Amino acid sequence: KAGVTQTPRYLIKTRGQQVTLSCSPISGHRSVSWYQQTPGQGLQFLFEYFSETQRNKGNFPGRFSGRQFSNSRSEMNVSTLELGDSALYLCASSLGWANEKLFFGSGTQLSVL
Amino acid sequence: ELKVEQNPLFLSMQEGKNYTIYCNYSTTSDRLYWYRQDPGKSLESLFVLLSNGAVKQEGRLMASLDTKARLSTLHITAAVHDLSATYFCAVATYGQNFVFGPGTRLSVLP
Repeated sequence: KAGVTQTPRYLIKTRGQQVTLSCSPISGHRSVSWYQQTPGQGLQFLFEYFSETQRNKGNFPGRFSGRQFSNSRSEMNVSTLELGDSALYLCASSLGWANEKLFFGSGTQLSVL
Repeated sequence: ELKVEQNPLFLSMQEGKNYTIYCNYSTTSDRLYWYRQDPGKSLESLFVLLSNGAVKQEGRLMASLDTKARLSTLHITAAVHDLSATYFCAVATYGQNFVFGPGTRLSVLP
């Protein structure tokens, strides 16, 4: 069974640009959540989608957005990139949306120059 | 606001020794998760603790949960180099919003 797949693995952007990250969950998993990991702030919850609906959102500015498609694949978008957005972005999938174990992808390492 | 703390944050130990990592959280929860992260890699699920008094063991790692004390422990027995990694505990709030601890970076020295 394939795991959670994230693309691209690495990304370099400049300030002001926008970026889209992609996540394919484990087959059969309907919940996808996104986390930002930085050395200073650790792992922080961005948002969660279940059956194409955003169920929960963390404390991030509106520049961070996401969506989920009917096949459960998810994308997150960051507009008007700032230097502080440099981070490892992790996608996780789970069967359901209520305290289910998270299965993480390898992440997308975003560097903003 | 749920806060999750871990201690120690850094742990350097010799092979063969035992040690315990502690995870405290600030609000009631009956589910606690432990994850492992190797440098440059993603998070790997280790344990899911579902109720008060739960104990899970896998190899040299054993995790326990005391919901009344809001405390979970990850005990390492006879450490080996392969256990060197960062260990995170996490508590789920609403839905799949997991609040992670800061992580304990473990180095096992020969």
